[in-house]
Amino acid sequence: SQQGEEDPQALSIQEGENATMNCSYKTSINNLQWYRQNSGRGLVHLILIRSNEREKHSGRLRVTLDTSKKSSSLLITASRAADTASYFCATDRGATNKLIFGTGTLLAVQP
Amino acid sequence: DSGVTQTPKHLITATGQRVTLRCSPRSGDLSVYWYQQSLDQGLQFLIQYYNGEERAKGNILERFSAQQFPDLHSELNLSSLELGDSALYFCASSVGGHPGNEKLFFGSGTQLSVL
Repeated sequence: SQQGEEDPQALSIQEGENATMNCSYKTSINNLQWYRQNSGRGLVHLILIRSNEREKHSGRLRVTLDTSKKSSSLLITASRAADTASYFCATDRGATNKLIFGTGTLLAVQP
Repeated sequence: DSGVTQTPKHLITATGQRVTLRCSPRSGDLSVYWYQQSLDQGLQFLIQYYNGEERAKGNILERFSAQQFPDLHSELNLSSLELGDSALYFCASSVGGHPGNEKLFFGSGTQLSVL
């Protein structure tokens, strides 16, 4: 079962533009993570944000977390063709020891 | 390169057969996780082992089993295979046993095709 749902399912932008992806989840969490998956390859960890944090930056990535709305967003600034990939949020559910991935957003950056 | 090694990369087999997928975690990582990715189900958590012991269980079918050996490598056994088991199977590893608190490192996956 999916804990998180990403929105939109697919996003196509031009190089240089910003890309924003959203993740909504259903139950309370301890932390939230974002991963990237290039076509058919293994997932790569991007960033982890804790439930007591509201915003976190890493290079061109900015992640926000709103626990009251049970949602997170991932912003990629000044996108590049190499950012073309699927992006997943992943959450742990309270006391369970499971990292559950969302449905993913497929981002296409046109050169 | 994540440091997580999965073999084989591709596997083609017939319905009713049994296969074994192998995973070597990053050096020093004690946890191994198995995930199944398919178009209709997305990325599903199957099972986690920590230092040889089962730590968490997800949507793993009874026909599937896994174990982690003393050298920390892990195997996922899939038996009585059905067409619907065709998927990309990922192994991931992490240092500790709490995946919500740490980053997971993923292997490149085993693509299983059941014909």
